[in-house]
Amino acid sequence: EPEVTQTPSHQVTQMGQEVILRCVPISNHLYFYWYRQILGQKVEFLVSFYNNEISEKSEIFDDQFSVERPDGSNFTLKIRSTKLEDSAMYFCASSPSNQPQHFGDGTRLSIL
Amino acid sequence: KNEVEQSPQNLTAQEGEFITINCSYSVGISALHWLQQHPGGGIVSLFMLSSGKKKHGRLIATINIQEKHSSLHITASHPRDSAVYICAVRSRGAGSYQLTFGKGTKLSVIP
Repeated sequence: EPEVTQTPSHQVTQMGQEVILRCVPISNHLYFYWYRQILGQKVEFLVSFYNNEISEKSEIFDDQFSVERPDGSNFTLKIRSTKLEDSAMYFCASSPSNQPQHFGDGTRLSIL
Repeated sequence: KNEVEQSPQNLTAQEGEFITINCSYSVGISALHWLQQHPGGGIVSLFMLSSGKKKHGRLIATINIQEKHSSLHITASHPRDSAVYICAVRSRGAGSYQLTFGKGTKLSVIP
């Protein structure tokens, strides 16, 4: 069965550094999402992406965040100047349209 | 903004027991999702429903739109069902695909 794959599984970064989290959505899916889960808290929506542009974003998704689909397969989340509070599990998801979202296994981001 | 509440927060059951996890939300939705989060953190979509009832194996999900309430049932529970079960809703609105999540119910099934 097709899967959403995320790399790396764990990323350790110094505060203030830029980090790029990578996702390969399922190939025929059109909608892409990023979520985050701070340890012990609920999952939170960050951004949705369709037709090469952001379709929705939450108040968490401020100017330090950006998303890109640089080619036909990858979907990336960039955090420009990381803060301690950016430490979380980041999940990518994709869906064909009005269908259940398929989630990746997540990238655990640790900011030191 | 939709508020999603789940109960119970934690649930311990003996193997074989029938389990019910509840979810309520505050604002009308276009769809409700039940998700399973494994101890390693990965999330799997179990159901997406907008009305009625869905069944997959030992799992049954129901939704009552008027009461803004959904339940997830597990029949004949097994230790491998131990996980966090999360309810998430998609609010109504053209082009709205973002999900609002509950805090999850941690289920432990003891042999």
